[in-house]
Amino acid sequence: QKEVEQDPGPLSVPEGAIVSLNCTYSNSAFQYFMWYRQYSRKGPELLMYTYSSGNKEDGRFTAQVDKSSKYISLFIRDSQPSDSATYLCAMTRFSGYSTLTFGKGTMLLVSP
Amino acid sequence: GAVVSQHPSWVICKSGTSVKIECRSLDFQATTMFWYRQFPKQSLMLMATSNEGSKATYEQGVEKDKFLINHASLTLSTLTVTSAHPEDSSFYICSAGPARETQYFGPGTRLLVL
Repeated sequence: QKEVEQDPGPLSVPEGAIVSLNCTYSNSAFQYFMWYRQYSRKGPELLMYTYSSGNKEDGRFTAQVDKSSKYISLFIRDSQPSDSATYLCAMTRFSGYSTLTFGKGTMLLVSP
Repeated sequence: GAVVSQHPSWVICKSGTSVKIECRSLDFQATTMFWYRQFPKQSLMLMATSNEGSKATYEQGVEKDKFLINHASLTLSTLTVTSAHPEDSSFYICSAGPARETQYFGPGTRLLVL
């Protein structure tokens, strides 16, 4: 079983839809959870960062962490064509300069 | 957010030559930087952890003599792909973070070895 599982998609939605992106993980020691957005041929861009369980909202983005289920989600409200990208979840056990474990990424396509 | 730059953004080289990629933190000091490699439609694979003033820590399966890392200052780490071969063609990305909990990625360097 891989440490982090993420459906590669693609996930196609119409503009304005609510998007739900998810990752599951197996290592209960993970405490820090991130979501990155990566456009084609570009480096990943940090979107959201959460610690332990709970929700965090930033504009149209909401990140949720359920440590009991080892499940994290990223919700995008009022999706836009410019949101079309690959979304990578990442997680780590410690704060500080510890390495990240990434999911494979989900490709999102938002059509006008 | 913090800014991390990479240079060059893309490079084409002949098989057997060496290629140097620079990673710079522009508005913060980074004692630790990370180097990743990403193949098409794959996630990022950590290659090594670059530590300022000391030797890099390589992930299992990464040849340290082939991928030379130098972190000579608090704002610059370099990755040199020595004697590059076509199978080294990939997207190389570095990351660094001004805060302990977050990392920011550079724009990546696309390497094509002919």
